[in-house]
Amino acid sequence: QLQLQESGPGLVKPSETLSLTCTVSGGSISSSSYYWGWIRQPPGKGLEWIGSIYYSGSTYYNPSLKSRVTISVDTSKNQFSLKLSSVTAADTAVYYCARLFYDIIDYWGQGTLVTVSS
Amino acid sequence: QSALTQPASVSGSPGQSITISCTGTSSDVGSYNLVSWYQQHPGKAPKLMIYEVSKRPSGVSNRFSGSKSGNTASLTISGLQAEDEADYYCCSYAGSLVFGGGTKLTVL
Repeated sequence: QLQLQESGPGLVKPSETLSLTCTVSGGSISSSSYYWGWIRQPPGKGLEWIGSIYYSGSTYYNPSLKSRVTISVDTSKNQFSLKLSSVTAADTAVYYCARLFYDIIDYWGQGTLVTVSS
Repeated sequence: QSALTQPASVSGSPGQSITISCTGTSSDVGSYNLVSWYQQHPGKAPKLMIYEVSKRPSGVSNRFSGSKSGNTASLTISGLQAEDEADYYCCSYAGSLVFGGGTKLTVL
């Protein structure tokens, strides 16, 4: 059974860079046809797609976040990562990593809360 | 890209049917048969319930069905059960992925 697990700091200071890693187990991140992505959810609010990456390194970002987002993949570790720069309180959210079959999000991590505060 | 529009809340009694709408534009919902629906219980990750407008993943009850007309997609849950009480989100491809604001379903 495929499992995804987010890891990273739960607290980030304003203006700094948020960094999270997703470790994939029970399957290969290099599987063809699957993308790997990040989705976030501010407390009490809805879902927002951040971006996705293919194992080859091709990336696709939400236009509203594109200037601050970098998603990368490490196939040797079966991991992919998110970096979000210049964070503000508005970036406080539960961050989910997920597997996508094109537009279909079929596996989700449990989510990790990241708070932006000094 | 703007979020898709969903009603904030819907409710129904056990055994009844409810429908949740998801309104987009001709650039997203109206252009692609790539609408999916996710169920989210409190404190949990979302779960895929419907993809490509009306297809159900293996293991999802046939009480859940999806449809689309023009720029509006819909999720119908028949034979409401207590465990259906959750938040529901639609999602459409629009060059990138855009979600609806979410609908809280209350089973009375």
